[in-house]
Amino acid sequence: SQQGEEDPQALSIQEGENATMNCSYKTSINNLQWYRQNSGRGLVHLILIRSNEREKHSGRLRVTLDTSKKSSSLLITASRAADTASYFCATHPSGGYNKLIFGAGTRLAVHP
Amino acid sequence: SQTIHQWPATLVQPVGSPLSLECTVEGTSNPNLYWYRQAAGRGLQLLFYSVGIGQISSEVPQNLSASRPQDRQFILSSKKLLLSDSGFYLCAWSRGRDDSPLHFGNGTRLTVT
Repeated sequence: SQQGEEDPQALSIQEGENATMNCSYKTSINNLQWYRQNSGRGLVHLILIRSNEREKHSGRLRVTLDTSKKSSSLLITASRAADTASYFCATHPSGGYNKLIFGAGTRLAVHP
Repeated sequence: SQTIHQWPATLVQPVGSPLSLECTVEGTSNPNLYWYRQAAGRGLQLLFYSVGIGQISSEVPQNLSASRPQDRQFILSSKKLLLSDSGFYLCAWSRGRDDSPLHFGNGTRLTVT
């Protein structure tokens, strides 16, 4: 079963615009992670936010976490064509810290 | 630094044939190891994970099995492939802590014909 659900499923924007992707999850968590996947490649870890954090930044990435709503968002500011990829949130299900469950992902296309 | 190797990159196999995909990790010891499968345009489905040699946890009943014969080696196998086994298979490792990110290999694209 999926722990995380991202929306939108697909997002198309122009270079320079901001891209926001959302993730909802079902059970309590200790942290939530975001990953990026270029087409046909493995996933790359972007950022981790702990359950006691509300917001975290890394370069052009901003992640928020609302544990009361069981949701998180990933904002990419001033997007570039190279940001074109799929983005996934992932969580450990309650009591299962050895396994990471991924959502279906958001496919982001950034047009020059 | 740690690296993960996964091979082959692509594989085309007939229905009913066996499968063996291998994954090895370098530069770390006693990692958690994972096999995920990704259908086209979809998310990742956790198939197996291992917290130590010989310890395999299966997440989804299926036609596949996994083994960990050495600390940094993880193998995904099947005795007889089905059409539904087609997909993108990803191996990953982590340090096994709750806040440890997963590090992925480049995947194997399996097509069962």
